[in-house]
Amino acid sequence: AQSVAQPEDQVNVAEGNPLTVKCTYSVSGNPYLFWYVQYPNRGLQFLLKYITGDNLVKGSYGFEAEFNKSQTSFHLKKPSALVSDSALYFCAVRDRNSGNTPLVFGKGTRLSVIA
Amino acid sequence: EPEVTQTPSHQVTQMGQEVILRCVPISNHLYFYWYRQILGQKVEFLVSFYNNEISEKSEIFDDQFSVERPDGSNFTLKIRSTKLEDSAMYFCASSGDRGSNEKLFFGSGTQLSVL
Repeated sequence: AQSVAQPEDQVNVAEGNPLTVKCTYSVSGNPYLFWYVQYPNRGLQFLLKYITGDNLVKGSYGFEAEFNKSQTSFHLKKPSALVSDSALYFCAVRDRNSGNTPLVFGKGTRLSVIA
Repeated sequence: EPEVTQTPSHQVTQMGQEVILRCVPISNHLYFYWYRQILGQKVEFLVSFYNNEISEKSEIFDDQFSVERPDGSNFTLKIRSTKLEDSAMYFCASSGDRGSNEKLFFGSGTQLSVL
């Protein structure tokens, strides 16, 4: 079975500092990995995904994530946080060979960037 | 950017009543999904729909739940006899593809409160 763990309910960071939002996953095969963001009163929005190839994936709004197979992690990072990055962030996984198995999400991590 | 729209944004109902949550996916998308999130918990998969039939459903999606695409634009989730534990935020999503090109677009959700 597929699963995602986001160990932090809340991450606080000062504006201008680097941020990291953690995600670990479990799949039986090789993963497709995703990050989505939810701003208040909006639906989840796609940020970036890892399919294959380079372990460092760059996405929207200056975010990037690094796939680490040995640690089964896909942490979201940004070199310099903005107040406007404050939102709820969801990691998601799908087993690449799973056919119709749906995308499985974590419970989300709330990021607060303080000016 | 095209959007998935959901109505209503909030729905309050009495236990045992039927509710219908409505969604208009992005017009050229082929895959449709319902997810839900109980407050403070994971975003949980309910059902996926492709080619006018359910392609996958979770254990949550029991006989009380049904989905329909009654015309070319709407995608609905019906709960026949609501229970207190059905209270959650329900998200509709659509995508144009699966696998390596997959990118889900989510609506802003319907907050269902069962009293």
